[in-house]
Amino acid sequence: DIQMTQSPSSLSVSVGDRVTITCRASQGISNSLAWYQQKPGKAPKLLLYAASRVATGVPSRFSGTGSGTDYTLTISSLQPEDFATYYCQQYESIQYTFGQGTKVEIK
Amino acid sequence: QVHLVESGGGVVQPGRSLRVSCAASGFTFGSYAMHWVRQAPGKGLEWVSHISFDGSNKFYADSVKGRFTISRDNSKNTLSLQMNSLRYEDTAVYYCARPPWRCSSPTCYSPLDYWGQGTLVTVSS
Repeated sequence: DIQMTQSPSSLSVSVGDRVTITCRASQGISNSLAWYQQKPGKAPKLLLYAASRVATGVPSRFSGTGSGTDYTLTISSLQPEDFATYYCQQYESIQYTFGQGTKVEIK
Repeated sequence: QVHLVESGGGVVQPGRSLRVSCAASGFTFGSYAMHWVRQAPGKGLEWVSHISFDGSNKFYADSVKGRFTISRDNSKNTLSLQMNSLRYEDTAVYYCARPPWRCSSPTCYSPLDYWGQGTLVTVSS
């Protein structure tokens, strides 16, 4: 199985800060990488797919980069509604795997 | 619009069985692959199973292989997950999820764009 290692596991930030979360795959995943946002008690929401394509309705402050095994989610200017947990997920292999999550908390 | 509603969760003893279902509406159910993803209390997301649009191909996480069976009834727009030999570690919220696009290939892998609200399965003696 492809293992996904996400970092950091948590971070404390302020509104307006730039946030970067990284995800490393145990083998190349050819940009088959999605990012999700999850708020407490809610289902995950797709933010980006194919490493850098923004899902419908997602604000432009969310962006993604990467290739091969290393990928990054960036929130350019954190808004109050962005405090949540973020997960990466590979879909290169049918044994889909998620990163362990990054909790973005208010400083 | 796309609507996915899970049901069937509850409390079940270890070793027993439970079936959870997902009612789909707002789209042509029979044209999309479907997935189950679970989340243990306070933990991260774990992909569980995938079924192709026509039900001909099924895939499972190693943690549930041989115990869980995914199925679908395209005439009733319903996805199901039969869970046998349940273990304490199967306790989780179970979500059904749909990819953003149709795919006629059984090996079409994609992100998950639409999710239900989840149904809680608790394995407890």
